[in-house]
Amino acid sequence: GAGVSQTPSNKVTEKGKYVELRCDPISGHTALYWYRQSLGQGPEFLIYFQGTGAADDSGLPNDRFFAVRPEGSVSTLKIQRTERGDSAVYLCASSLNAGGNGYTFGSGTRLTVV
Amino acid sequence: AQSVTQLDSHVSVSEGTPVLLRCNYSSSYSPSLFWYVQHPNKGLQLLLKYTSAATLVKGINGFEAEFKKSETSFHLTKPSAHMSDAAEYFCVVSGGTNAGKSTFGDGTTLTVKP
Repeated sequence: GAGVSQTPSNKVTEKGKYVELRCDPISGHTALYWYRQSLGQGPEFLIYFQGTGAADDSGLPNDRFFAVRPEGSVSTLKIQRTERGDSAVYLCASSLNAGGNGYTFGSGTRLTVV
Repeated sequence: AQSVTQLDSHVSVSEGTPVLLRCNYSSSYSPSLFWYVQHPNKGLQLLLKYTSAATLVKGINGFEAEFKKSETSFHLTKPSAHMSDAAEYFCVVSGGTNAGKSTFGDGTTLTVKP
């Protein structure tokens, strides 16, 4: 597609529920990144994929968070047993390959856990 | 290890006057450095990047930044501010074995007064 698409744009869920956030990167971009941005802070790295594999998942805060990219294109970030502290904007980005050329970001998914 | 410090959380300038947003970085490797801009309710947009070529980097919308290794700085400047420059600006570092993992600063809010 023309840009990075994230769905839904907003998600409100109850504490303890499971959520899935979807990212559709720019066609042909092999690298895909997930970041989380809390109010008043810069984006915080969660995980990045090179192709289908997670090249670095060191930013995932705990085992409630998981992400997949089974065909090397669309990625899904999955959060189990959501907590109020998970409320944030989840940002997805893609790039032609991992490295020093910068990212194209999507508009993000605003997750609110009530 | 890598880190970024944006020295000012808020900067206010008058329209038509110069802009200076300060960024210091720390990296164990030769870094790649970036500036991103985030307008209200919009996605992050890449302004410019430094990837070990020319130390003075020109970006979009008249912004530029100079990489100074001796000072570990990458300050963002613009000769003359426009009202449309009002936004949040993020300095970002990546590189070495962390090529796919970027570290963002906490951001600087730029206000432009008429």
